[in-house]
Amino acid sequence: NAGVTQTPKFRVLKTGQSMTLLCAQDMNHEYMYWYRQDPGMGLRLIHYSVGEGTTAKGEVPDGYNVSRLKKQNFLLGLESAAPSQTSVYFCASSYSMGQTYNEQFFGPGTRLTVL
Amino acid sequence: GENVEQHPSTLSVQEGDSAVIKCTYSDSASNYFPWYKQELGKRPQLIIDIRSNVGEKKDQRIAVTLNKTAKHFSLHITETQPEDSAVYFCAASIRAGANNLFFGTGTRLTVIP
Repeated sequence: NAGVTQTPKFRVLKTGQSMTLLCAQDMNHEYMYWYRQDPGMGLRLIHYSVGEGTTAKGEVPDGYNVSRLKKQNFLLGLESAAPSQTSVYFCASSYSMGQTYNEQFFGPGTRLTVL
Repeated sequence: GENVEQHPSTLSVQEGDSAVIKCTYSDSASNYFPWYKQELGKRPQLIIDIRSNVGEKKDQRIAVTLNKTAKHFSLHITETQPEDSAVYFCAASIRAGANNLFFGTGTRLTVIP
């Protein structure tokens, strides 16, 4: 199993450009998440999904959109990139087991620089 | 929303000594507290977690304690080894199922051989 994978690994954008980050998981997890990690800030939740076709806002959703058209994929879009979106982006996924807490498995991350 | 504070931001210990990292949280409804380890350039990985119905959990050299009254929890690493050097993040979650995690700002642990 590949676990959680992310594409691309690195990207440099100019202000105003758009791009989509792809997250894929092969563990049949219901839940998927997008985080950003900034120095001294820890990880902050951008958006999450509890199942195919559903998405919800997290802690810092502004400037991002997401889609979950297939259970195994979770896409994060930046429509008009800004320097403040320079960060490392992590995708994660977890099982759905009713009202229990389940480990989140993280992808390897995407380092995005917006000039 | 939940606010998680983590201290210290950096910690250096001699190999074989113990390391303690402390976190506090603001929302009394939080009831799940995982700890993640992130090595340089790598993804975060869960090392231990604790639920609010227990006060302590241990896994070999790693232990976590929880004080719900005071709203703080701590990670204890005993007999530290150089491979323990990494950034450690605490987190808290309010809701089961899609357990959205609120992370602390991380502690960079350096174990000096």
